[in-house]
Amino acid sequence: GAVVSQHPSRVICKSGTSVKIECRSLDFQATTMFWYRQFPKQSLMLMATSNEGSKATYEQGVEKDKFLINHASLTLSTLTVTSAHPEDSSFYICSARDRTGLSNQPQHFGDGTRLSIL
Amino acid sequence: QKEVEQNSGPLSVPEGAIASLNCTYSDRGSQSFFWYRQYSGKSPELIMSIYSNGDKEDGRFTAQLNKASQYVSLLIRDSQPSDSATYLCAVKARGSNYKLTFGKGTLLTVNP
Repeated sequence: GAVVSQHPSRVICKSGTSVKIECRSLDFQATTMFWYRQFPKQSLMLMATSNEGSKATYEQGVEKDKFLINHASLTLSTLTVTSAHPEDSSFYICSARDRTGLSNQPQHFGDGTRLSIL
Repeated sequence: QKEVEQNSGPLSVPEGAIASLNCTYSDRGSQSFFWYRQYSGKSPELIMSIYSNGDKEDGRFTAQLNKASQYVSLLIRDSQPSDSATYLCAVKARGSNYKLTFGKGTLLTVNP
């Protein structure tokens, strides 16, 4: 149980392109999903908390107009990197927690999306 | 600023030995503690969770929590080469809206 699917797994595109990444909870409902970014040899940095049916909560320093988050259903959140540039190249990972779980339930991670902007 | 500190390693142990990974956290109000394993180029996978003081065992893994010392550890018994990975300590603070704070991870290498 607690499977999180993330798609695509890898994207290579030109500078200026917008890229959409999907995160789905396959066997549970998630009112809250999280988007992380990880640069090589660095830890996970939380970018934003995605809340079903409401606006995402962004961490300090993360541009909300550049990283658009939509959480339209209890099983799907999307992250769109708008007008991506080479410095946006990174490993983007989503996670989700089961809405029926206790507050101390762990987050379950998707497989990540490796984004490379040329 | 809530912080989670880990020794970045690398920690190198021979196959069959016990690997000991340590983590300290700054927020005394933290309530939930997790250990994730991350293979190179992959996303983290949950290994253990622990919520109360003491030890919690699951197969070859034992998590230890000492809230007074703000310290959580992970022991891996009978280490295998397949255990070679980065181990991330994650802490959820009280009232944090489920957000986790991650340490930078400890790179473990198990030598055959």
